[in-house]
Amino acid sequence: AQKITQTQPGMFVQEKEAVTLDCTYDTSDPSYGLFWYKQPSSGEMIFLIYQGSYDQQNATEGRYSLNFQKARKSANLVISASQLGDSAMYFCAMREVQYSGAGSYQLTFGKGTKLSVIP
Amino acid sequence: DAGITQSPRYKITETGRQVTLMCHQTWSHSYMFWYRQDLGHGLRLIYYSAAADITDKGEVPDGYVVSRSKTENFPLTLESATRSQTSVYFCASSEDWAGWYFGAGTRLSVL
Repeated sequence: AQKITQTQPGMFVQEKEAVTLDCTYDTSDPSYGLFWYKQPSSGEMIFLIYQGSYDQQNATEGRYSLNFQKARKSANLVISASQLGDSAMYFCAMREVQYSGAGSYQLTFGKGTKLSVIP
Repeated sequence: DAGITQSPRYKITETGRQVTLMCHQTWSHSYMFWYRQDLGHGLRLIYYSAAADITDKGEVPDGYVVSRSKTENFPLTLESATRSQTSVYFCASSEDWAGWYFGAGTRLSVL
């Protein structure tokens, strides 16, 4: 089973509108973290927002907010007031502790959602 | 410059050749990671390292070798490159729960 599922391969949004990118996750680890990254056409991975599994409040970073619903295992990214520069691939990722092998935190990615902002 | 740098940014090689991708970070982060990105697969973990001289396999390690003799460097070697290893490779480092930092990526083409 996939650990991170992003069901929207592509989405369109009108400039200045809000958009929600879906992400569901699967883990039995009680302590985990959820990340969203943006990858523009230039290719770099840009960190957007982080939510810890024990955080009581939903994370916010400027125009980005994370709608964290722990019981439903969802961590949707909300972008308010979309801008043309928001057109990019967006990846949801989950950090878990890896107890086997060298023992490490690992970051597992979903397959991404391509967001296109329409003027 | 502070941060995480990958070299080369672009590489074209032939099947059967050995290729080494370099990754250097200036923060002294304990953890370092190599991912490959392919269309339809997102990023998949190849190898990771929890500290100098401690490495372990990720999801797709076959055909790759890593070493970490110094904390700041984590090279990835393709011992005998194959066409299926054509991909974009990302190095990342991390020290704490919430910080994962990525290099700019290396685009590798195996002909």
